[in-house]
Amino acid sequence: AQSVTQLGSHVSVSEGALVLLRCNYSSSVPPYLFWYVQYPNQGLQLLLKYTTGATLVKGINGFEAEFKKSETSFHLTKPSAHMSDAAEYFCAVTYNTDKLIFGTGTRLQVFP
Amino acid sequence: NAGVTQTPKFRILKIGQSMTLQCAQDMNHNYMYWYRQDPGMGLKLIYYSVGAGITDKGEVPNGYNVSRSTTEDFPLRLELAAPSQTSVYFCASSRQGLANYGYTFGSGTRLTVV
Repeated sequence: AQSVTQLGSHVSVSEGALVLLRCNYSSSVPPYLFWYVQYPNQGLQLLLKYTTGATLVKGINGFEAEFKKSETSFHLTKPSAHMSDAAEYFCAVTYNTDKLIFGTGTRLQVFP
Repeated sequence: NAGVTQTPKFRILKIGQSMTLQCAQDMNHNYMYWYRQDPGMGLKLIYYSVGAGITDKGEVPNGYNVSRSTTEDFPLRLELAAPSQTSVYFCASSRQGLANYGYTFGSGTRLTVV
């Protein structure tokens, strides 16, 4: 079955440290990949997406992700964490169908 | 720019009661979705619709019903509420060609069944 896996349900970093949130997808069919962020008691907001073209995708708030076909990965990174980055992050995939498949989410904590 | 509007934001139901969660979008999106979010489980698709008059089941449709009589509205009906339906419910919409646009989400409805 087509799926997306997020390794690590919780990630903790210090303010100013590198943020790395992992996402792997399961299909050999070309995927369309998304990262969403959810702040406490809010809905999900689109951070960035990969459809075609450049494999390094830049999003809002300094985040970026790189599509690596050979590794079936789409990890989310940010060079320097800020306290305001504390949130839950969801990776999602579609294979040109009518719906997105979501990962189980990674909660990012940022310590001062 | 209202986007996707969900009402109510919070609700407490007693076991066996019924209610309708409302969802409306003003972006003329064809596709609309209902998800539930439970801690550590991510988002599970309940029902979705690719246009007025068309609905399809998702992963977890049992205990729910939907209708799509207009492009703008996609209400979710809970009949005979059960504690297992305690969750946060999100409505989302998308343009046709989901792969290029992703979803726009509402702010959610937090439902507790006691």
